[in-house]
Amino acid sequence: KAGVTQTPRYLIKTRGQQVTLSCSPISGHRSVSWYQQTPGQGLQFLFEYFSETQRNKGNFPGRFSGRQFSNSRSEMNVSTLELGDSALYLCASSLTGDGDTQYFGPGTRLTVL
Amino acid sequence: KNEVEQSPQNLTAQEGEFITINCSYSVGISALHWLQQHPGGGIVSLFMLSSGKKKHGRLIATINIQEKHSSLHITASHPRDSAVYICAVSYNTDKLIFGTGTRLQVFP
Repeated sequence: KAGVTQTPRYLIKTRGQQVTLSCSPISGHRSVSWYQQTPGQGLQFLFEYFSETQRNKGNFPGRFSGRQFSNSRSEMNVSTLELGDSALYLCASSLTGDGDTQYFGPGTRLTVL
Repeated sequence: KNEVEQSPQNLTAQEGEFITINCSYSVGISALHWLQQHPGGGIVSLFMLSSGKKKHGRLIATINIQEKHSSLHITASHPRDSAVYICAVSYNTDKLIFGTGTRLQVFP
C-alpha cells in the first residue's frame, strides 16, 4: 500500500497570502489529522477529520481551516499568512480514528517571508 | 505544567549502550504513543500502548497506568538509532498531545 502523501513538499509564501496544503491518506483509512511543528512550540494538533466531519480542533486561530472529501483526502488552508506560520505541516492517517496507530506523511515545509 | 513531560531532553550514547527515555503524563489516557523523527522531518510510529509492554526488535516500550509513566528502551544502541524520540498521548480519538521530544545521538 502506498503511504500517506502530502503536496506540495515545500512552499514559500509572503505575509498576507493564503495557502492550501493537501494530504492523501493510506487507502482505506478514514481518519486524517493535521499537525504543526515549529522549533519553538514543537508538535501541535491542528484538526482531525473522520468521514468528512471535523471531530477535533486544536487551539489555533480561525485563519486555519480544513476539510475532508468523500475519498478521505484532506486539505488544510491558512489565510492571511503571518511570519509565525512558518512551520512543517504534517498530516497523519489512521484506520479507525479512535486513537489507533497513525501513519505520518513526509510533511509540507511552509516558509512565510 | 505540560500535559506530557519527557526526559531527558538530550541524550548521547556510545554504540552498544542501553538507552532509556522516560515519559510522564498528567491525566488518564486511552493510549500512549512513541514516535521517531529523523532529520528531514519524517515521523514513524514505533509503538502504541494502553497497558503492559511491547517489543519490536531492539526497542521495548513499557507503560505503568497507575503511575502515569512510560519508558522507551533501546538495547544495543546503534548510530542509526540517532533521532528525536517523541512521546504522545491520546484520549479515544486521533488527537495527539505531544511531549517535547528527546534528541538521541549514538556515536560509533
